[in-house]
Amino acid sequence: GDSVTQMEGPVTLSEEAFLTINCTYTATGYPSLFWYVQYPGEGLQLLLKATKADDKGSNKGFEATYRKETTSFHLEKGSVQVSDSAVYFCALAASYQKVTFGTGTKLQVIP
Amino acid sequence: GAGVSQSPSNKVTEKGKDVELRCDPISGHTALYWYRQRLGQGLEFLIYFQGNSAPDKSGLPSDRFSAERTGESVSTLTIQRTQQEDSAVYLCASSPTSISTDTQYFGPGTRLTVL
Repeated sequence: GDSVTQMEGPVTLSEEAFLTINCTYTATGYPSLFWYVQYPGEGLQLLLKATKADDKGSNKGFEATYRKETTSFHLEKGSVQVSDSAVYFCALAASYQKVTFGTGTKLQVIP
Repeated sequence: GAGVSQSPSNKVTEKGKDVELRCDPISGHTALYWYRQRLGQGLEFLIYFQGNSAPDKSGLPSDRFSAERTGESVSTLTIQRTQQEDSAVYLCASSPTSISTDTQYFGPGTRLTVL
């Protein structure tokens, strides 16, 4: 079945540091890939997505590239801020949009 | 416009009682999803509705769990004879269609605590 594996947290970074959160997936066919974010006390919301191979999703300075050859969708940001502290979920939707989520990576950015 | 809403936001119940959780999707969204998020874990798919029918109920953990949707709008998730392991945040999401490229919009969740 479909699965998503993302790096375990928590990840603690200083402000302005470079962020990478690794995500790899297993799926049949050509899934759409997503990063969702859950800020403290808020609901889950879409951060970015990519729907086909080599697409790059981007939003709020975050980027992720759909790599079919390595089945990966790593999340990156060049300079994190304290306001980026949240839990990040990698996810895929393979067929009719049943979304399979990773276990989440908690990011804490310290001033 | 209004987002996905869920009620109640918090529910504390005693083991063995039945609970009903409600989800109001974004107007016009034909697809609706229920997930469960246990503490410190990822989201677990429970059930999906396309319109009023549920093509995929594979994620429902047991026959104590059921869900329905009426009028392509409100959905209720019912848990009968609750157990302590049912304690979790139950999230509802909706999307315009059920194609895989659509974004899902999540509600704030219902935190269920079974004592």
